[in-house]
Amino acid sequence: DTEVTQTPKHLVMGMTNKKSLKCEQHMGHRAMYWYKQKAKKPPELMFVYSYEKLSINESVPSRFSPECPNSSLLNLHLHALQPEDSALYLCASSQPRLDYEQYFGPGTRLTVT
Amino acid sequence: AQSVTQPDIHITVSEGASLELRCNYSYGATPYLFWYVQSPGQGLQLLLKYFSGDTLVQGIKGFEAEFKRSQSSFNLRKPSVHWSDAAEYFCAVVGTSGSRLTFGEGTQLTVNP
Repeated sequence: DTEVTQTPKHLVMGMTNKKSLKCEQHMGHRAMYWYKQKAKKPPELMFVYSYEKLSINESVPSRFSPECPNSSLLNLHLHALQPEDSALYLCASSQPRLDYEQYFGPGTRLTVT
Repeated sequence: AQSVTQPDIHITVSEGASLELRCNYSYGATPYLFWYVQSPGQGLQLLLKYFSGDTLVQGIKGFEAEFKRSQSSFNLRKPSVHWSDAAEYFCAVVGTSGSRLTFGEGTQLTVNP
C-alpha cells in the first residue's frame, strides 16, 4: 500500500472556527510532512515530524498547530485562520533516512471565509 | 543552498507529439533529483527519481529523464504525449545530506487534441 490519505477533501471555515485536517499512511514511514500550496505555485514546507517528534517548523504562524499521535497519523489543527490561509494542504510521508522520496496525499482544499 | 529552475512556465503540445520539460538545478555535489506530476486539485505523484548510476532513468506513465552533470540538468521526456498527461509538472532536488525537498516553480502542460 503506497497511499497517503487525507480528510476532509474540502473544508470551508470561518475565521473564528476551529477545525482539523487529518492525514494517514500505512507504509511504515516514520517521517511525515505538512505542505501548503497556493494556486500555480509549488508546495511550501510547513512542518516535519520524524519518529513522531516535530523536527522542522518553518516559522509557521501559531494558528496552525500540528500533532502526530502515532506513526501512522498526522493532524493539523486550525484556529483563527485568515483568508490568505486558503490553499491546498498536502500531507506527505517518507522513511526518515530517505526523506527525499516523499509520497503525497491528495490534499485538503481549505477555504477561509 | 540548492535550487531548481524550470525555465518554461507553460508548454502546449499536440497529442501524440514528443515532449521535453526542462529542469536545471544548482547544488555543490550530485543531488537527488525528482519529477512529480500534479493533476488539477490533486496531490503530487512521483514520476521518477535519480539517485546515482545510469543517467537515463525510466519512470511511470512512459516518462523518462536524463541526468546531465555537465549541464546541471534533469530534463523530463516522453515520446508520445496523451491528453491525460495535461497537468503541472514539478522538478525537485534534495541534497545528499538529506536536506529538505526543494521544488521548481513548475511547468504547466497543455495537450491539444
